This record gives sequence, structure tokens and C-alpha cells, in this order.
Amino acid sequence: AQKVTQAQTEISVVEKEDVTLDCVYETRDTTYYLFWYKQPPSGELVFLIRRNSFDEQNEISGRYSWNFQKSTSSFNFTITASQVVDSAVYFCASPLPGGATNKLIFGTGTLLAVQP
Amino acid sequence: DVKVTQSSRYLVKRTGEKVFLECVQDMDHENMFWYRQDPGLGLRLIYFSYDVKMKEKGDIPEGYSVSREKKERFSLILESASTNQTSMYLCASSWEATGTEAFFGQGTRLTVV
Repeated sequence: AQKVTQAQTEISVVEKEDVTLDCVYETRDTTYYLFWYKQPPSGELVFLIRRNSFDEQNEISGRYSWNFQKSTSSFNFTITASQVVDSAVYFCASPLPGGATNKLIFGTGTLLAVQP
Repeated sequence: DVKVTQSSRYLVKRTGEKVFLECVQDMDHENMFWYRQDPGLGLRLIYFSYDVKMKEKGDIPEGYSVSREKKERFSLILESASTNQTSMYLCASSWEATGTEAFFGQGTRLTVV
């Protein structure tokens, strides 16, 4: 079955530290997608990035970067020079296989606390 | 910008009440979802709709039903609220195709007393 695992429940860092959030997925599909979402204290999940299984290039967007490695079934998210505004719960997600229904399954989330 | 709006941010209901949670999206998305979020469990899918009047059960449909009479609106119904349904409820919508991102509402924190 499709599964997404975020082993880190909570991470606490001091501002300006780099931090990596781990995501490990299980799938038997050859074509699949992976997502990261951010949930700030306000509650609304915000889409950060989507990767498909054919594109293993790392992605960088400002202080955010993503490392997708099929060999280890991982899609890790790194925040460089963290800021207090990065404090949130971060979710990794993937659609269930089989059909165009796009039902996302989520990991349990990682709570990131960035201390000033 | 895509907007998904949930009718309430906070609700307090009594055990046994019938509860309606409403969600409206403005992007003509085919898919709409209801998730429940609990600490340590992440987001779990309750119900999913891929078209008007069409629905599929998610992982935890027991005690819930849904209604989608119009494309933009997706309602979650707690037939007889119980204390174990106290949770954060999140509505989302997306285009039909697999691999497109979902857009979320701000969430409804429901407390059943």
C-alpha cells in the first residue's frame, strides 16, 4: 500500500540554523507524485512543492530546497538559515495510486519550532 | 487565487446533535475532499467527491456523510455528533488529474461536548 512516513515528530532549532525534514515513501507505482505542504499556526495548509517520479533533480526556491532520491525512497526538505516565520507543521504527501482521483495521503507531519 | 472557504473556524456542539460543516471553492475544481486532523495522526481522508452528487469513502467515513449538490460546495455531515469527533476538519479541492496540488481551507475546529 502507498505510505508516507515522517519519522520526526518535532524539531526545535535556533534561528539561522539549517534544518532538514525527512520524508520516506513506499510505492509500487512507477509513476507517482510527492508533495510538501506547510501548515502555519493559522491552520490552512499551504502547498510548497510537487515532484514527479521522473524528475530527480533537486529543487531550490530561496531558502528552501528539496532532495528527491528514488534509491532511498526519500523526499527530504531543507530550510537554510531558518527564521521564526518558518515555525509550522510540515507535511509530506502523495496521491493514492490507481486512477485519476488524486486522493492525497499524508504523513503524520513534523512540527518545526524556530526559536529566536 | 484559488479560494477554499469553510463556513466556521470554531464550532462547539453537543453530543447527539446533527452537525453540518460547509465548504465552498471558487476554482471550478472537480475534486473536493474532507480530511480530519488529529495530533500524531496527520490528516486522514473522510470522504472524497469527484463530481456533483458523486462521492467515495475515505479511510474513516464512519459517523460521517457528505453532500455535493453543486460543484462548488461540499458539505460534511456528522449525523449524531460524539465526543470522539472532536477534531480539526479540513476541506480541500483540486483539479481532476492525478498529480495536481490540492488547495485547503482554513480549517474548522469542532468541539463536541
